[in-house]
Amino acid sequence: DVKVTQSSRYLVKRTGEKVFLECVQDMDHENMFWYRQDPGLGLRLIYFSYDVKMKEKGDIPEGYSVSREKKERFSLILESASTNQTSMYLCASSLGGRQETQYFGPGTRLLVL
Amino acid sequence: DQQVKQNSPSLSVQEGRISILNCDYTNSMFDYFLWYKKYPAEGPTFLISISSIKDKNEDGRFTVFLNKSAKHLSLHIVPSQPGDSAVYFCAASAMTAGNKLTFGGGTRVLVKP
Repeated sequence: DVKVTQSSRYLVKRTGEKVFLECVQDMDHENMFWYRQDPGLGLRLIYFSYDVKMKEKGDIPEGYSVSREKKERFSLILESASTNQTSMYLCASSLGGRQETQYFGPGTRLLVL
Repeated sequence: DQQVKQNSPSLSVQEGRISILNCDYTNSMFDYFLWYKKYPAEGPTFLISISSIKDKNEDGRFTVFLNKSAKHLSLHIVPSQPGDSAVYFCAASAMTAGNKLTFGGGTRVLVKP
């Protein structure tokens, strides 16, 4: 079974803090993704990566950066957290190729005060 | 501008009856469509998919229908079971966009015993 794990289930941070969200997958997947989920808006893609040290902007990259130093690990960084970044953050991975299923982690609910 | 829309935010259905979830899209380049199911405090899990070369795909109690001319797809769950109570997201991808998925806003389904 594919397992995607996220470092925290719940996180509370203050405005201006630097926040790291970590994601690890154990299936040697090429592709990794970071989404945020907000009510009524579904899942919106923040960043994704097709390979180590490679990253591409998704639909809402502003205020975020990512790092992929190892194939199994994909980190999302909020350089200076703001209240409008309060959300559910979901990491996903897929094997490769267009029609491969994306497997999701359990999510991190982030509250920025 | 949401390219994938689920216009019904919620749906309530009696156990044993059919659940019909709808999804509309605007981007004519989308050629692969997926449905994901999400329970609270868990990540989305893949349910069923369909390629644009087909108009129907069936997997057990779940059937997805695609109407390309109307840019519309639907998910039928027959018979509905209490364990089907969850949020359902439709998603779409385009060959020109690689592995990126664009998600709808989700429909919350409640199956009443």
